[in-house]
Amino acid sequence: GNSVTQMEGPVTLSEEAFLTINCTYTATGYPSLFWYVQYPGEGLQLLLKATKADDKGSNKGFEATYRKETTSFHLEKGSVQVSDSAVYFCAREPYSSASKIIFGSGTRLSIRP
Amino acid sequence: TAGITQAPTSQILAAGRSMTLRCTQDMRHNAMYWYRQDLGLGLRLIHYSNTAGTTGKGEVPDGYSVSRANTDDFPLTLASAVPSQTSVYFCASSDKGGQDTQYFGPGTRLTVL
Repeated sequence: GNSVTQMEGPVTLSEEAFLTINCTYTATGYPSLFWYVQYPGEGLQLLLKATKADDKGSNKGFEATYRKETTSFHLEKGSVQVSDSAVYFCAREPYSSASKIIFGSGTRLSIRP
Repeated sequence: TAGITQAPTSQILAAGRSMTLRCTQDMRHNAMYWYRQDLGLGLRLIHYSNTAGTTGKGEVPDGYSVSRANTDDFPLTLASAVPSQTSVYFCASSDKGGQDTQYFGPGTRLTVL
């Protein structure tokens, strides 16, 4: 089964609203965790990452904290903009060097002006 | 810096025909990947290559083949296309795989009729 579970979308917010997109992962050690963003018509690009417990990744006003006690890596932003409209993917490091990064199913975010 | 390029941008293909999707990276990354992205299913890994000369099967390899003759190129071939292969295809690369950031191409939208 999928070892990265994220909030189902779509999520629609007004500009300047507070954003949270939930993400949880299955706990096998302490994998690196990522958030990728896909803007309309483009490929995915890394938004932020955290490599160990209690680390906080941040970029473009977005933040996510690696919480080992809740196996979570929720994405937050204090004040969203229309330009943040995109699909957001949570991901975790693979279980072994022979396997690959594991993506969540994605959450579509739409911001109303 | 170009990063990763994919060609074509989009294609309409008759069922039963063959096609090769091209992917080239100029970052000298060791690992490369092919994903397909379908509505409601997120990203699914088709094939990957950890280094030039080696390839491996991902989550959904059937009906697709890849080769990695050199570091830069990682073409994906559909030998006999079927309508269920209608999707958006993304190529990606990373320096070492595992916890390394993946860099994605802009995607190829393929429609099989």
